[in-house]
Amino acid sequence: AAGVIQSPRHLIKEKRETATLKCYPIPRHDTVYWYQQGPGQDPQFLISFYEKMQSDKGSIPDRFSAQQFSDYHSELNMSSLELGDSALYFCASSRGQTNQPQHFGDGTRLSIL
Amino acid sequence: GESVGLHLPTLSVQEGDNSIINCAYSNSASDYFIWYKQESGKGPQFIIDIRSNMDKRQGQRVTVLLNKTVKHLSLQIAATQPGDSAVYFCAARKAAGNKLTFGGGTRVLVKP
Repeated sequence: AAGVIQSPRHLIKEKRETATLKCYPIPRHDTVYWYQQGPGQDPQFLISFYEKMQSDKGSIPDRFSAQQFSDYHSELNMSSLELGDSALYFCASSRGQTNQPQHFGDGTRLSIL
Repeated sequence: GESVGLHLPTLSVQEGDNSIINCAYSNSASDYFIWYKQESGKGPQFIIDIRSNMDKRQGQRVTVLLNKTVKHLSLQIAATQPGDSAVYFCAARKAAGNKLTFGGGTRVLVKP
């Protein structure tokens, strides 16, 4: 079965640079979610979109922004990168928002030097 | 707010035995719960979910129990196999929202 596709899988940046992470949801899924997972930590919710509109917002820094496009893929844009942004970034998707399991991709590992 | 926590950081289990992973949540407004398995270098993999109007749900070799009175849920894995070795997370969602709040993972180690 098709899964959530994230790209790139690994990304190395320097402080103050920008990064764009991409997420392609499972076909026919209309909701995407972004999570950040630090080393040895739980995934933390950042932001979600339903039908191209922001639907919920968590602990996402102002330096980050995201959007969902007409084909339902999503991009997480990160600017003025800091060392503390080094983490795994997961995208998940679901069909609808209510009581539907979120299916995760394998993440993008972002390393800030 | 919501906090979700697991009782044990590591669970060591003999191959073939049953595993039980526990999780507590704090927000009584949570209406949907989900268990994920995460292997090294991979994203959380959906195992099973349960809605707050249920007490028990079974899948293939897994059972989730929900006790809303004490805000506790558990994941039972029957006949644990080496491939079950991973970190297991519980997550909860509050009604009228769609973000998941994850609990601290439990690492399950299966001994041959």
